[in-house]
Amino acid sequence: DIQMTQSPSTLSASVGDTVTITCRASQSFNNRLAWYQQKPGNVPKLLIYRTGSLESGVPSRFSGSGSGTEFTLTISSLQPDDFATYYCQQYDSYSLTFGGGTKVEMK
Amino acid sequence: EVQLVESGGGLVQPGGSLRLSCAASGFTFSDHYMDWVRQAPGKGLEWVGRIRKKANGYSTEYAASVKGRFSISRDDSKNSLDLQMNSLKIEDTAVYYCARSDSYGPFDSWGQGTLVTVSS
Repeated sequence: DIQMTQSPSTLSASVGDTVTITCRASQSFNNRLAWYQQKPGNVPKLLIYRTGSLESGVPSRFSGSGSGTEFTLTISSLQPDDFATYYCQQYDSYSLTFGGGTKVEMK
Repeated sequence: EVQLVESGGGLVQPGGSLRLSCAASGFTFSDHYMDWVRQAPGKGLEWVGRIRKKANGYSTEYAASVKGRFSISRDDSKNSLDLQMNSLKIEDTAVYYCARSDSYGPFDSWGQGTLVTVSS
């Protein structure tokens, strides 16, 4: 199985900051990497797929990049609605795996 | 509008069985792969398993943690997805979500989840 390691596990930031979350894979795969946002008590929401493609309706301040074994989610100009937990997921192999999550909290 | 509604969760003793269902509407169910994902209380997301569509032989995949104990099935005529869970362990306690996907696609729609509690 491809193991996905997210860092940091918690990130403290202020409104207007640019934040970056990293996801590292235990082996290289073909950019089939998604990012989800989950707020407490809510269902995960797809933000980005295929590493850098923005899901319809997702604000352009969210962006994704990377290749091989290292992928990043960047949130530019953090908004109050963005405080949440973010998960990466690889869907390249037969056994899909999620990262452990990154909680973005208010500083 | 895509809707996925899970049901069947509840309290079960260790070693017991439970069957979850997911009712789908608002899209052509038979055209999509379907997955189950779970989330233990206060923890992250864990993929449980997948069932592919008819064109792919309704083949299934499972996470190592549930392989041999859980089984996924679907009924395209009823737009429904099931998760049969046997030999349940305390560590299977979680909210179980059904999710829509595709071949080499992410989970673009999720149900609201159903809570399974395994406890004596």
